[in-house]
Amino acid sequence: EVQLVESGGGLVQPGRSLRLSCAASGFTFDDYAMHWVRQAPGKGLEWVSGISWNSGSIGYADSVKGRFTISRDNAKNSLYLQMNSLRAEDTALYYCAKDILGGVGATGGGAFDIWGQGTMVTVSS
Amino acid sequence: SYVLTQPPSVSVAPGKTARITCGGNNIGSKSVHWYQQKPGQAPVLVIYYDSDRPSGIPERFSGSNSGNTATLTISRVEAGDEADYYCQVWDSSSDHRGVFGGGTKLTVL
Repeated sequence: EVQLVESGGGLVQPGRSLRLSCAASGFTFDDYAMHWVRQAPGKGLEWVSGISWNSGSIGYADSVKGRFTISRDNAKNSLYLQMNSLRAEDTALYYCAKDILGGVGATGGGAFDIWGQGTMVTVSS
Repeated sequence: SYVLTQPPSVSVAPGKTARITCGGNNIGSKSVHWYQQKPGQAPVLVIYYDSDRPSGIPERFSGSNSGNTATLTISRVEAGDEADYYCQVWDSSSDHRGVFGGGTKLTVL
């Protein structure tokens, strides 16, 4: 069964750090790009970051650039998101999503065909 | 940055046709993907590359894209189609950046 399982969310104070993980199974992980998409409570979807199959192409939303770092370990079928300098506006449900292609961006990215159930991040003092 | 505009809500009676639009500057030159999200659930891909359907998605779901508007069409709407729908593209003017529309709440009357 194709599956993505996120972990690492929780309650964190503003300015602190958190690392999210996404464990993939049921497909050839290193063939595809992977993404993080978040959804603030009661709000819409926001693409956060994406990484190509070989980590050669990486993209970030303006709202997180310079604070968040995406990475992957193909040997462990895992995707990560290191979140630093967290702000209240980063409070959201964070989804891990699989791309149908291997690249990121207008020339290499595709649609997101598999999603995890999400991990909640709450930034509050 | 590239902006996608969706109507906040669309209402339709069962058995009728729902059309959900996604507006963007020259969006017809981009590939548009559509997602369905029901309350408390993760999004599901329903249309990719403007008009392709993933396996398992009913033929009632179709898509088109031209000019400044992409459209998701749901024919013979059922109560189970009630959900939020989001369009998504890649912003070719920015460095590897994904963009979602604000989402449309489809209400089945």
